[in-house]
Amino acid sequence: EVQLVESGGGLVKPGGSLRVSCVASGFTFSNAWMTWVRQVPGKGLEWVGRIKSETDGGAADYAAPVKGRFTISRDDSKTMVYLQMNSLKIEDTAVYYCTTFARTDTPYWGQGTLVTVSS
Amino acid sequence: EVVLTQSPGTLSLSPGERATLSCRASQSVGTYLVWYQQKPGQTPRLLIYGASSRATGIPDRFSGSGSGTDFTLTISRLEPEDFAVYYCHQYGSSWAFGQGTKVEIK
Repeated sequence: EVQLVESGGGLVKPGGSLRVSCVASGFTFSNAWMTWVRQVPGKGLEWVGRIKSETDGGAADYAAPVKGRFTISRDDSKTMVYLQMNSLKIEDTAVYYCTTFARTDTPYWGQGTLVTVSS
Repeated sequence: EVVLTQSPGTLSLSPGERATLSCRASQSVGTYLVWYQQKPGQTPRLLIYGASSRATGIPDRFSGSGSGTDFTLTISRLEPEDFAVYYCHQYGSSWAFGQGTKVEIK
């Protein structure tokens, strides 16, 4: 069974930094592209960025609103993916979800972790 | 960048009625499209993948159709638990989500 469990959310001041993590299980993590999606409470879903598998080059891509501030990385030995968020803004307040297709036809989602940016 | 546009924004219907939700892509995504249902405080629940295949455990009153740029989610007879927000999501060219359609009780 595929499982994705996020952690590390919390309250941070504008301009601050936070790293959220996602531990994966139930599939071959090293082959999977991992994606972060966020959702402002009461609003829609927004793609944040994704990281390819190392075998596919390991590159990360980002949505325009977070490019240059957020960094996605992975540790295949720990089956973990990370989202490092710097220069946080109030509008980054959201639930952050770890997601993947795990090389299948269907997407899998974690339960999400809430990041609140407020002074 | 692919943009997904869902319509209508809100659908007001009664239990037992048929719901038809639309998702239009700004360029072709083939059949790389999924539909989710989301209720307040919950993670999106996968309904349809590959544009028309029902996910495990999804009742057959839910059906998806379409390919390329035009997609439809149909709920044949609304049950009380179906009143929620529905999102389409394409993964054919990077990822993108529609803005959602709220199905509310009339």
